Amino acid sequence: EDQVTQSPEALRLQEGESSSLNCSYTVSGLRGLFWYRQDPGKGPEFLFTLYSAGEEKEKERLKATLTKKESFLHITAPKPEDSATYLCAVQAINFGNEKLTFGTGTRLTIIP
Amino acid sequence: SQTIHQWPATLVQPVGSPLSLECTVEGTSNPNLYWYRQAAGRGLQLLFYSVGIGQISSEVPQNLSASRPQDRQFILSSKKLLLSDSGFYLCAWRAPHGTGKPTQYFGPGTRLLVL
Repeated sequence: EDQVTQSPEALRLQEGESSSLNCSYTVSGLRGLFWYRQDPGKGPEFLFTLYSAGEEKEKERLKATLTKKESFLHITAPKPEDSATYLCAVQAINFGNEKLTFGTGTRLTIIP
Repeated sequence: SQTIHQWPATLVQPVGSPLSLECTVEGTSNPNLYWYRQAAGRGLQLLFYSVGIGQISSEVPQNLSASRPQDRQFILSSKKLLLSDSGFYLCAWRAPHGTGKPTQYFGPGTRLLVL
């Protein structure tokens, strides 16, 4: 069974203090690993899709990386508006498989 | 560009009452559509998905059902709500198979409270 574990559960940083969020996964053949940002009371907002080990993608202060067992979301010099819950999900390569397996998220708070 | 809508945004219903949540997508054709539920402290759980009109697959047996009467419309229903049906319901879409685009995009969600 596919599994996703995110750590830490919660992270508080000072504005400008860089850090990384971890997503460890177990999947029977990876089709894709997905990062989303979710604000309270809203639907998840897509950030990145990673397909293979060694791949990296960047968007503003965020950079996502992927290995065969985990993914990291690096946040550089964060601002208060980066405060949100960050979700990681995986999809396995099975014909007809539509399921995304999600972790429970990391709640990130950036203190001004 | 594509847009996904859900309504209502918030719903308070008594136990045993029926439910109908609606999701529509604009700006794309023949999307794959999904219903997820998010409970507090838990990851998103896939409930149903559809690859075309009238085609529904269920991931979790329960008292909910889904229908897809039109290409870009997806409906989540229940005949009798349970307390355990409370949660945040999210609709999502992705490009159809064969496009090489597996990313799912989520709507704004419906907060359901069953009392």
